[in-house]
Amino acid sequence: AQSVAQPEDQVNVAEGNPLTVKCTYSVSGNPYLFWYVQYPNRGLQFLLKYITGDNLVKGSYGFEAEFNKSQTSFHLKKPSALVSDSALYFCAVRDRTSNTGKLIFGQGTTLQVKP
Amino acid sequence: GAVVSQHPSWVICKSGTSVKIECRSLDFQATTMFWYRQFPKQSLMLMATSNEGSKATYEQGVEKDKFLINHASLTLSTLTVTSAHPEDSSFYICSASAGQRYNEQFFGPGTRLTVL
Repeated sequence: AQSVAQPEDQVNVAEGNPLTVKCTYSVSGNPYLFWYVQYPNRGLQFLLKYITGDNLVKGSYGFEAEFNKSQTSFHLKKPSALVSDSALYFCAVRDRTSNTGKLIFGQGTTLQVKP
Repeated sequence: GAVVSQHPSWVICKSGTSVKIECRSLDFQATTMFWYRQFPKQSLMLMATSNEGSKATYEQGVEKDKFLINHASLTLSTLTVTSAHPEDSSFYICSASAGQRYNEQFFGPGTRLTVL
C-alpha cells in the first residue's frame, strides 16, 4: 500500500537557523513527490515537486528538498528560517503509474519558527 | 496562473438543510477535480475524484448520496452536502488538475462548513 510518513508532529526552530521537515514514503516504482504549505484556514499552497532529474529540487520561498531514493525520503529544507514560515507542511506522493492523479498525503508537520 | 477558487469561503447552516460548495479553476481547464475534507490539525482526507462529464469516484466510506459531486464543465465542480448534520462540520478543500505538468494539483482556499 502507498503511504507517506511525516514522523514529526511539530518542528521548532529559531529564526535564522536552518530547518528540516522530514518525509518518507512507500510507493511502488518511482513516485512524483510534492511539498505543500497550509496557513490557518487556508487551502494548500504548492512549494515544490520532484519529477525526475536532479535530486535537489528548489522551490518557492527559499525552500528546497532532496530526493533520496535509497532512503525513500524527500525532506524539506531551508537554510535560514523566517517567523513567517510558521505553518503546517504536507508531504505528498503520487504513484507515477496511476492514471487517477490521486495524491497520498502525510499527516502534516507544524513548523514553529520563533524570533 | 493555475488559480482555483472556492465559494463560499465559509457557511453556517441549520441541521437538515443542504449546502452547495463551488470549486472553479480560473485560468485553466481542469480535467480532474478532487474534493477533500480536513479536520482541525489533521491531514487531508480525499473524499472523491471527479472528471468532467462523468460520475465522481468516491473513496471508501464516503456516502455518495450525502456528498453529491457534479463536474459539469472543465472549470466548475460542485459539492453538495445534503441533509447536513453537525458531524458534517469541517473544512472542505477542492483541488484541480489540468492533466498536464504531471497531474500537479492546484488547491482552492477551502470552505469552512458549520452545521448548527
